Amino acid sequence: DTGVSQDPRHKITKRGQNVTFRCDPISEHNRLYWYRQTLGQGPEFLTYFQNEAQLEKSRLLSDRFSAERPKGSFSTLEIQRTEQGDSAMYLCASSLGTVSYEQYFGPGTRLTVT
Amino acid sequence: EDKVVQSPLSLVVHEGDTVTLNCSYEVTNFRSLLWYKQEKKAPTFLFMLTSSGIEKKSGRLSSILDKKELFSILNITATQTGDSAIYLCAVEGRRGTYKYIFGTGTRLKVLA
Repeated sequence: DTGVSQDPRHKITKRGQNVTFRCDPISEHNRLYWYRQTLGQGPEFLTYFQNEAQLEKSRLLSDRFSAERPKGSFSTLEIQRTEQGDSAMYLCASSLGTVSYEQYFGPGTRLTVT
Repeated sequence: EDKVVQSPLSLVVHEGDTVTLNCSYEVTNFRSLLWYKQEKKAPTFLFMLTSSGIEKKSGRLSSILDKKELFSILNITATQTGDSAIYLCAVEGRRGTYKYIFGTGTRLKVLA
């Protein structure tokens, strides 16, 4: 499968624990996005990378959230000291070069914080 | 603040009906508007619109943009049960940011 992959697909954690999610974009795509989606809502932009550089970060992203894309390939999203309000689907998307409009989404990681 | 509003929030129709989904937006320096279909998993890309009045078409789906009135519509003709999904609209809010603002989506259910 040459699409965007995310791991894990589901994560259940207790409040206060740290979690880390991974996204592997389509190999030639240099742009990578993280979104969060809750029930009944559209995806909310969290952050965006061009190659390894994090170019934009949403104000929604508190200091408990951090994302990296160390070699411009895969990316990780870490949430520290999780809260119940962090429960959501975390979506990763990638796109190619200047053709930014067509973002290809991964299957998402569903996080449940108990 | 940039925003994207979709209507209706949900819609139930019968197979064969035609539906029109709406997306209105208020953003700074509009660049592009995208439509996605989301079933039980990740959104899949349908259309990208940048110019007013030019219809994009793919099979039974079509979409058009009005940059003066700041809205887009997505039409689906001869609906089928497989069209049941959430249809999302997303707009690039500030030129060159590649940051897309999504609406809440329209949940379409097509009954056999």
